[in-house]
Amino acid sequence: DGGITQSPKYLFRKEGQNVTLSCEQNLNHDAMYWYRQDPGQGLRLIYYSQIVNDFQKGDIAEGYSVSREKKESFPLTVTSAQKNPTAFYLCASSMWSMGQYEQYFGPGTRLTVT
Amino acid sequence: SQQGEEDPQALSIQEGENATMNCSYKTSINNLQWYRQNSGRGLVHLILIRSNEREKHSGRLRVTLDTSKKSSSLLITASRAADTASYFCAPRGDSGGYQKVTFGIGTKLQVIP
Repeated sequence: DGGITQSPKYLFRKEGQNVTLSCEQNLNHDAMYWYRQDPGQGLRLIYYSQIVNDFQKGDIAEGYSVSREKKESFPLTVTSAQKNPTAFYLCASSMWSMGQYEQYFGPGTRLTVT
Repeated sequence: SQQGEEDPQALSIQEGENATMNCSYKTSINNLQWYRQNSGRGLVHLILIRSNEREKHSGRLRVTLDTSKKSSSLLITASRAADTASYFCAPRGDSGGYQKVTFGIGTKLQVIP
């Protein structure tokens, strides 16, 4: 099956711990994205990447880090510096020309930090 | 960044009725996309309309685009309970390369059986 996967679906962490969310796609898409969604809110862009080994900050990058060592993978690390990390995190991918093609979304990871 | 503003924020209708939601945006676009999000899930792409198109259909969905007014509408005909979801519009820019592709708050549609 072609698609985009995120794991785990639910993640619980203690405050002060870093945590890494996985995102993998086998659609051969060049562009990948990370969004955060809070209850009743829209999607806010954290980081995005158009090609391997390159990525750009979105609107709320503080407290997050990413890597793009492989085309298929775009993991997101939520660091202890992120003040309010509890949220629903969505990963997406699209063909290379950002904005000109639809995005495909993963099922999301719900992170709870206590 | 490219972000649309959906209106209304919430809509409740009876099954079988039509649902109309609107989107406004601010900059020039290459295309405008509509997505659906079921509760607790990822977004699913519904339809893409290019800037040189005025109307597009896909099954029970009808999308219009008015670039002079920088607005779009999504009509769902003969709604079903399964259409209950949040709907997002996504205006997308006309430049290549890096773009901050973002999403607004969406329209939350409830279809009552």
